[in-house]
Amino acid sequence: QVQLVESGGGVVQPGRALRLSCAASGFTFSSFGMHWVRQAPGKGLEWVAVISYHGSNKYYADSVKGRFTISRDNSKNTLYLQMNSLRAEDTAVYHCAKDLDDFTYGMDVWGQGTTVTVSS
Amino acid sequence: QSALTQPASVSGSPGQSITISCTGTNSDVGGYNYVSWFQHHPGKAPKLMIYEVSFRPSGVSNRFSGSRSGNTASLTISGLQAQDEADYYCSSYTSSSTWVFGGGTKLNVL
Repeated sequence: QVQLVESGGGVVQPGRALRLSCAASGFTFSSFGMHWVRQAPGKGLEWVAVISYHGSNKYYADSVKGRFTISRDNSKNTLYLQMNSLRAEDTAVYHCAKDLDDFTYGMDVWGQGTTVTVSS
Repeated sequence: QSALTQPASVSGSPGQSITISCTGTNSDVGGYNYVSWFQHHPGKAPKLMIYEVSFRPSGVSNRFSGSRSGNTASLTISGLQAQDEADYYCSSYTSSSTWVFGGGTKLNVL
């Protein structure tokens, strides 16, 4: 079955960097767009970024633009989120999600998430 | 990228029907058919309930239905059951090639 497993979360100081990974299985990873979505403690879901199936198109939420970079390695069935210049407000559970098609149809399958805590 | 507007909470008794609204603009909800609804139990992965405004994924109960009028999308749950109690989020593709979520609605089954 389709499965997404995130990793790489942890506690990091403000201003530092962290890279999240999302291992995909059970579907043809290279045929679908992929998203990152986060949920801060006590808050709702917030879309972070999306990458097209071939990796050429990438779009970001204003709140992370210029600091976060989404990428993928289709040979490894893995999605990444490089997070630089982290802020306290980036503290959240980060989920990766598969798109129904390239990147415009919306998320269908989600991972359980990995927790990022930005604190000194 | 303003969040879509959802009611903070809705309530209903078992067997009743409820509707959750999701209001955006003609740059998101009203401009594209890419509106989705998710059910989220805390600590679990969100589950897709409706995509492209009104389509149900395989395995989702036909008690869940989606619709749209202008810039407002709606999720209706009929025959409420205790296990429907969860947070519900709408999301939409936008004219900026980004995605936006609603603030979430907590469904209480009395």
